[in-house]
Amino acid sequence: EVQLVESGGGLVKPGGSLRLSCAASGFTFSSYSMNWVRQAPGKGLEWVSSISSSRIYIYYADSVKGRFTISRDNARNSLYLQMNSLRAEDTAVYYCARRYSGYTGDAFDIWGQGTVVTVSS
Amino acid sequence: DIQLTQSPSFLSASVGDRVTITCRASQGISSYLAWYQQKPGKAPNLLIYAASTLQSGVPSRFSGSGSGTEFTLTISSLQPEDFATYSCQQLNSYPLTFGGGTKVEIK
Repeated sequence: EVQLVESGGGLVKPGGSLRLSCAASGFTFSSYSMNWVRQAPGKGLEWVSSISSSRIYIYYADSVKGRFTISRDNARNSLYLQMNSLRAEDTAVYYCARRYSGYTGDAFDIWGQGTVVTVSS
Repeated sequence: DIQLTQSPSFLSASVGDRVTITCRASQGISSYLAWYQQKPGKAPNLLIYAASTLQSGVPSRFSGSGSGTEFTLTISSLQPEDFATYSCQQLNSYPLTFGGGTKVEIK
């Protein structure tokens, strides 16, 4: 079964750090670009970061640039998000998602169940 | 950055109704648009990609159209299980962006 499972969320104080993980199974992880998307309580979806299959291309939303670092370990079929200098506005459910790149177009076709990050004193 | 504006942000419709949701991009994105359905407490689920291609396993009552800057998601006959929030996403260029979402309530 194709699956993504996030972990690492929790309660952290402002200014603190957290490392999210996403374990992939059921597909050739090293062949896909991977992504983090978050959703603040009661809000819409916000793209956070992307990393290409070979790790050559990495992108961040302006809201997290300089504070968050995306990485991947293709040997371990795992995606990571290191989050530093956390702020209250980073409070959200964080999803990892696989980017499908097809002949006619792209999409995030597989999503994890999400992990909750709460930044509060 | 490419902004995506969805309308309406909320709609209430009856079972069997035809429902249309619009997503407008601030600049042309060709057909690099996807639609997702999200139910409370769940991850988004891909419905449509490349503006009009139905994802495998998605009921045929869902369809998408458009290119450039204007796109629509249509549910031809609304079913009770379609109560959800629908979001569009552009994958034409970084930063990737999502529309604000359309919450569909079943009357």
